[in-house]
Amino acid sequence: DQQVKQNSPSLSVQEGRISILNCDYTNSMFDYFLWYKKYPAEGPTFLISISSIKDKNEDGRFTVFLNKSAKHLSLHIVPSQPGDSAVYFCAAAPSGNTPLVFGKGTRLSVIA
Amino acid sequence: GAVVSQHPSRVICKSGTSVKIECRSLDFQATTMFWYRQFPKQSLMLMATSNEGSKATYEQGVEKDKFLINHASLTLSTLTVTSAHPEDSSFYICSARGQGKGTGELFFGEGSRLTVL
Repeated sequence: DQQVKQNSPSLSVQEGRISILNCDYTNSMFDYFLWYKKYPAEGPTFLISISSIKDKNEDGRFTVFLNKSAKHLSLHIVPSQPGDSAVYFCAAAPSGNTPLVFGKGTRLSVIA
Repeated sequence: GAVVSQHPSRVICKSGTSVKIECRSLDFQATTMFWYRQFPKQSLMLMATSNEGSKATYEQGVEKDKFLINHASLTLSTLTVTSAHPEDSSFYICSARGQGKGTGELFFGEGSRLTVL
């Protein structure tokens, strides 16, 4: 049973436009949410996170929104750049030193 | 910031041999490290939780005797794939949670691509 779902396996966006990547979760115990970016043959790199006490966190071109009642979060990238082309993983965890649960990822392609 | 280093990045071995992958936390101590495996076009799957000074906790379906995990110090965890077979070919990634970095943030190694011939 997938606790973290990324229902769109791929997304194509034109350079300069907004990219919106979505993620849904089922476990109400999740307290912390993260987005990771992964290039081929490399380990994932941390992008941005949000705790359950917030509904928005912004870092430069990246903004994560959390809707706890809908158990939904999204990552907005604006403006999108070709270098943003990668696979983006949504991850979640309850508080404490517990492993993250990952979604299956969404492959973003930013077209110049 | 915290860095997790993994070695080797690529390894090719013959079927039946064993391969060891090292995961080091470079500027922080990690009492717990996690080992993940990524199959092609799939998500990261947690294999086991490595605890310093004690036995690793394996996820359901992961063979303990095949994937040996040793966390001998606060900065080093190793994963040994024993008697490797072609189906063990995969991308293995370790991770550790940085101290003082906030709940949940996890730092990943660069990954190790294992190819078993």
